[in-house]
Amino acid sequence: RKEVEQDPGPFNVPEGATVAFNCTYSNSASQSFFWYRQDCRKEPKLLMSVYSSGNEDGRFTAQLNRASQYISLLIRDSKLSDSATYLCVVNQAGTALIFGKGTTLSVSS
Amino acid sequence: DTGVSQDPRHKITKRGQNVTFRCDPISEHNRLYWYRQTLGQGPEFLTYFQNEAQLEKSRLLSDRFSAERPKGSFSTLEIQRTEQGDSAMYLCASSLGRRQGASGYQETQYFGPGTRLLVL
Repeated sequence: RKEVEQDPGPFNVPEGATVAFNCTYSNSASQSFFWYRQDCRKEPKLLMSVYSSGNEDGRFTAQLNRASQYISLLIRDSKLSDSATYLCVVNQAGTALIFGKGTTLSVSS
Repeated sequence: DTGVSQDPRHKITKRGQNVTFRCDPISEHNRLYWYRQTLGQGPEFLTYFQNEAQLEKSRLLSDRFSAERPKGSFSTLEIQRTEQGDSAMYLCASSLGRRQGASGYQETQYFGPGTRLLVL
């Protein structure tokens, strides 16, 4: 079983749609959780950290359920520029990041 | 631009040749990580340094791979006797790690643009 699992998609949505990505992780000792965004042939960039209380950054909302070992990302009012691969990432304190395979989002006009 | 630079950005080599990649982290960052990413996969951890000390190596890092960070600043990753299976993007990330409480640790890893390796 992979340590971090994501639905690879692709998710094809029209502009303005709301889309949700889910992720599960297997290591209950994981302490930090993130969503990274990766554009085609570019490096991953931190989108947001994920906290147990849930957190929001503009159109993006991230949720963490430690009991279910489940992380989500909600994107509201999708823009063309949101088209990218979204990587679910976990790690234990002070260790390497463990990445999922990524979920591909394509937003069309 | 995160402030992490990598060189070269692209490398094409023939099987059996040695290659070396360089990473320059953000200047005050004490941690430096190497990852490898193949098509359709997320990045996979290879090794990391805290200052000049190499603290962990993944089982992915065969004996053909060696990494150094001699003065705790830039790092090099060398692959000897390259194989076609080594073709991938090699990513470097740096962070400023801080202890938080008794068992916590806070850091955000910032990635460089990567070096794309193609082994023919």
